[in-house]
Amino acid sequence: KAGVTQTPRYLIKTRGQQVTLSCSPISGHRSVSWYQQTPGQGLQFLFEYFSETQRNKGNFPGRFSGRQFSNSRSEMNVSTLELGDSALYLCASSGRAYPNLDSPLHFGNGTRLTVT
Amino acid sequence: DQQVKQNSPSLSVQEGRISILNCDYTNSMFDYFLWYKKYPAEGPTFLISISSIKDKNEDGRFTVFLNKSAKHLSLHIVPSQPGDSAVYFCAAVRLSTSGTYKYIFGTGTRLKVLA
Repeated sequence: KAGVTQTPRYLIKTRGQQVTLSCSPISGHRSVSWYQQTPGQGLQFLFEYFSETQRNKGNFPGRFSGRQFSNSRSEMNVSTLELGDSALYLCASSGRAYPNLDSPLHFGNGTRLTVT
Repeated sequence: DQQVKQNSPSLSVQEGRISILNCDYTNSMFDYFLWYKKYPAEGPTFLISISSIKDKNEDGRFTVFLNKSAKHLSLHIVPSQPGDSAVYFCAAVRLSTSGTYKYIFGTGTRLKVLA
């Protein structure tokens, strides 16, 4: 079974631009969540989608948005990029509506975004 | 407000010895806890979990201990191997009555196992 696939692996953008990241979950997984990883901050929760609906959202500005398609693939968009948005963006999927002890989140390898 | 804290950014251990990674949390309402391991250029991979109603869970060389009164979680790796060198994240999960969930991660501890 293929894992969580994130594209692209690396991105370099300029301040003020916008960017779209893509995530394909494990086949059959309907819950997709996004995290931002920066040095010293760990993984910060952005949002979570299930069956095309955003169920939960973290404490990020409105410049960060996402969506999920009927095939469970998800995209994340960041508009008006700032230098502080440089980070590793991780997508995770779950085979259950609510992950549990035995069915935790499965992460992709991330998209490394650099804003100059 | 960092609800899950890993106060040691790094740890070095000799091969064959025990590695102990620590994690503290502030919210007593978490439902369960997990440890993830992350290698460079890869996403985190699940290692081991523990329910908030348990105090120990073991899986091979990995054991997680939960001290609810101290709001403290630890991961023991015995014996440590060079392949265990990675960044370890603890995570706490809260299942809300509104039907959502959220993983809250610590900032990670970089473990280096010396051959």
